Amino acid sequence: TQLLEQSPQFLSIQEGENLTVYCNSSSVFSSLQWYRQEPGEGPVLLVTVVTGGEVKKLKRLTFQFGDARKDSSLHITAAQPGDTGLYLCAGARGATNKLIFGTGTLLAVQP
Amino acid sequence: NAGVTQTPKFQVLKTGQSMTLQCAQDMNHEYMSWYRQDPGMGLRLIHYSVGAGITDQGEVPNGYNVSRSTTEDFPLRLLSAAPSQTSVYFCASSYSSISGTIMPQHFGDGTRLSIL
Repeated sequence: TQLLEQSPQFLSIQEGENLTVYCNSSSVFSSLQWYRQEPGEGPVLLVTVVTGGEVKKLKRLTFQFGDARKDSSLHITAAQPGDTGLYLCAGARGATNKLIFGTGTLLAVQP
Repeated sequence: NAGVTQTPKFQVLKTGQSMTLQCAQDMNHEYMSWYRQDPGMGLRLIHYSVGAGITDQGEVPNGYNVSRSTTEDFPLRLLSAAPSQTSVYFCASSYSSISGTIMPQHFGDGTRLSIL
């Protein structure tokens, strides 16, 4: 059973466009992370959100944790080719490092 | 500082063969875990360990064994390889969670395994 669904599954956009990736669940998470993965490499952490309604910004990336801590979104402003990669959300329930990963969103930014 | 090192990077096995995927970390992390990554399914947890001598099952443990004799090493053993175990395997490590907040997971670069 996949507890975290991401949408869209694939996204191909032009450089300079904005985009939003969604991570949804019917379960509550104590904290949630977003990772980016490039071909041939392991995922690399972008951000951790822990409070319902929390918004974090990382340069052109804005992350939001839903008020009920069941969902999250990643918004990229003025996308660049360097943003290309697989974006994964991952949630934890309780005091644990056991992560439940989302299905992933593959982003391609064309120059 | 090498981080998390996985070996081998690629491996082809025949059905029924056994093998061990190696994972080592040099960050003195207590928590280590193994995931498999399949298209459209993200990463799924196979086994994890909260410290030397302690292991537990994740979401998809069948067909895999682990042990944690040292803090640094966390090998994953395939007892009798099956085509359904064809996947990319990732090892990760982190400090133990604090106050219910997950810690940054540091991933290796993966082992690409094909079972014929």
